[in-house]
Amino acid sequence: SQQGEEDPQALSIQEGENATMNCSYKTSINNLQWYRQNSGRGLVHLILIRSNEREKHSGRLRVTLDTSKKSSSLLITASRAADTASYFCATDSRGAGSYQLTFGKGTKLSVIP
Amino acid sequence: EAQVTQNPRYLITVTGKKLTVTCSQNMNHEYMSWYRQDPGLGLRQIYYSMNVEVTDKGDVPEGYKVSRKEKRNFPLILESPSPNQTSLYFCAVGTPYEQYFGPGTRLTVT
Repeated sequence: SQQGEEDPQALSIQEGENATMNCSYKTSINNLQWYRQNSGRGLVHLILIRSNEREKHSGRLRVTLDTSKKSSSLLITASRAADTASYFCATDSRGAGSYQLTFGKGTKLSVIP
Repeated sequence: EAQVTQNPRYLITVTGKKLTVTCSQNMNHEYMSWYRQDPGLGLRQIYYSMNVEVTDKGDVPEGYKVSRKEKRNFPLILESPSPNQTSLYFCAVGTPYEQYFGPGTRLTVT
């Protein structure tokens, strides 16, 4: 079953602008991860936020997590044409000794030079 | 260099002809997983393995088999492929905190 749902499905912005993508999920989680996929290629891990964290930064990336609303957001600041890709959130909600990442359907980001 | 390798990268086959997609890793991770990616549906997990000889079903296991006889390899087997298994397949390895994806195998079943 699909756990994470990204919003919007597609986003088009000008280079230099900020891009914000949202992810909602249904059940309690251990952590939430964001991945990036360039067209047709394998996914690349961007950042992880644990369930007891509210905000995390990595370079131009800022991730927030609101467990009360079961939602997360990914902000990419000062976007570049090279940021054009699809972005997926993935949730890990299994117990000790077993885990399974469940991915959303993704947000397709286009950054126009 | 840390790598996840999938073979073949592209495959066109016919309904009912058994095929195997291989996945190999040199990162010594215990966890390996297979996903399929379809337009509008995102990534869906087929099977995963926590360790050698330990495999479990993901969200869409029907029509697929896996085996984990050694740590580095996790082949995906389609005993009797059907057109609805036409998809882009990814192998992933890693930990609960980060997964590394292979380059993908684009499978077409006619």
